[in-house]
Amino acid sequence: DAKTTQPTSMDCAEGRAANLPCNHSTISGNEYVYWYRQIHSQGPQYIIHGLKNNETNEMASLIITEDRKSSTLILPHATLRDTAVYYCIVRVPYTDKLIFGTGTRLQVFP
Amino acid sequence: DTAVSQTPKYLVTQMGNDKSIKCEQNLGHDTMYWYKQDSKKFLKIMFSYNNKELIINETVPNRFSPKSPDKAHLNLHINSLELGDSAVYFCASSQEGRRQGADTEAFFGQGTRLTVV
Repeated sequence: DAKTTQPTSMDCAEGRAANLPCNHSTISGNEYVYWYRQIHSQGPQYIIHGLKNNETNEMASLIITEDRKSSTLILPHATLRDTAVYYCIVRVPYTDKLIFGTGTRLQVFP
Repeated sequence: DTAVSQTPKYLVTQMGNDKSIKCEQNLGHDTMYWYKQDSKKFLKIMFSYNNKELIINETVPNRFSPKSPDKAHLNLHINSLELGDSAVYFCASSQEGRRQGADTEAFFGQGTRLTVV
């Protein structure tokens, strides 16, 4: 079972920041938080991952709380092409297994 | 260049038939996977292979048999297809992440939509 909970859906205006929350209250100290997204039934696409520190790449920023029980994915300037289902995943340590939950359906509107 | 490619993209077949889905990756990764996404859009891992060795088998019926002729290919053969096998099947690859702390970004193919009638 997925160890994360996310809101079912969110809306965001184009050009604004999209902040997608994720709860992972049972996360262990050696488990990473990964974010993927799936655009309209295409294959899932990796976005970002982190362990303790906040992370930023060309796609997004990941903010992890100090107690690591929750995190937020930030898309700084959402575009219509960012409309997708966003999955927050806690990676099982010592395996390559990604356990997907139900994700958050982000709708970016003009 | 497509990193992870699957064929066919669509597959419609009758119950009871045997079919195969092929997957190839050109990323030099040593680990490959099959995931299934059902009609409720729930994505679940089925198998993973590392250097042609089966690592994960998630209680999948033995009608499903993955085959990895080399580390760049992982094919999925399904015997005696059933209606419930209808789904989108995704192949993926990554570098081995079983070592703690290793980065394991997984790359997914575009999926194969299997419809059993």
